[in-house]
Amino acid sequence: NAGVTQTPKFQVLKTGQSMTLQCAQDMNHNSMYWYRQDPGMGLRLIYYSASEGTTDKGEVPNGYNVSRLNKREFSLRLESAAPSQTSVYFCASSELEQFFGPGTRLTVL
Amino acid sequence: QQQVKQSPQSLIVQKGGISIINCAYENTAFDYFPWYQQFPGKGPALLIAIRPDVSEKKEGRFTISFNKSAKQFSLHIMDSQPGDSATYFCAASREGNFNKFYFGSGTKLNVKP
Repeated sequence: NAGVTQTPKFQVLKTGQSMTLQCAQDMNHNSMYWYRQDPGMGLRLIYYSASEGTTDKGEVPNGYNVSRLNKREFSLRLESAAPSQTSVYFCASSELEQFFGPGTRLTVL
Repeated sequence: QQQVKQSPQSLIVQKGGISIINCAYENTAFDYFPWYQQFPGKGPALLIAIRPDVSEKKEGRFTISFNKSAKQFSLHIMDSQPGDSATYFCAASREGNFNKFYFGSGTKLNVKP
């Protein structure tokens, strides 16, 4: 039982490049989330998926897209990375409590 | 509008002391209030949670105090240890078919040996 897994752990991009952050959970949770964490800003919700087949914008969705591939997997895509997207990204899943993945540290140069 | 406000931003406590972190919320529909603990390089992990039908919940050295009328809740860490040094987040949500969580901005706790 791995919980919530995220890949990659670290990534460096150049401005304008694209990439997809992968997330998977093995707890059979319906809801999944993507957050970004910046110093002094706490956890800000980017997108969420209340259930398989649905996605909705969170607090800071601009510059991101998501795909709920199936019940297990929820990916986050940056189409054209910008330095302002340098952050640590966390995926989470929940039924009641939220369980977080280990995070992806992304740097955009 | 920030739904959950957390203070202080950072806290230094001597070993054996009491660490207190405070949070305030706006939405009276919130009915689930968890605290998360995050160590450097790790994701947040649930520490303790409370529902508004009780005023206090204790698990080991960790206690949540809840004041429904004031819309405030706090985390108390008794006999603080260096291993408690981490960032703590409060959160609030409304139980239902889907739980959207609103997080505080975090408190970085440093327990001095």
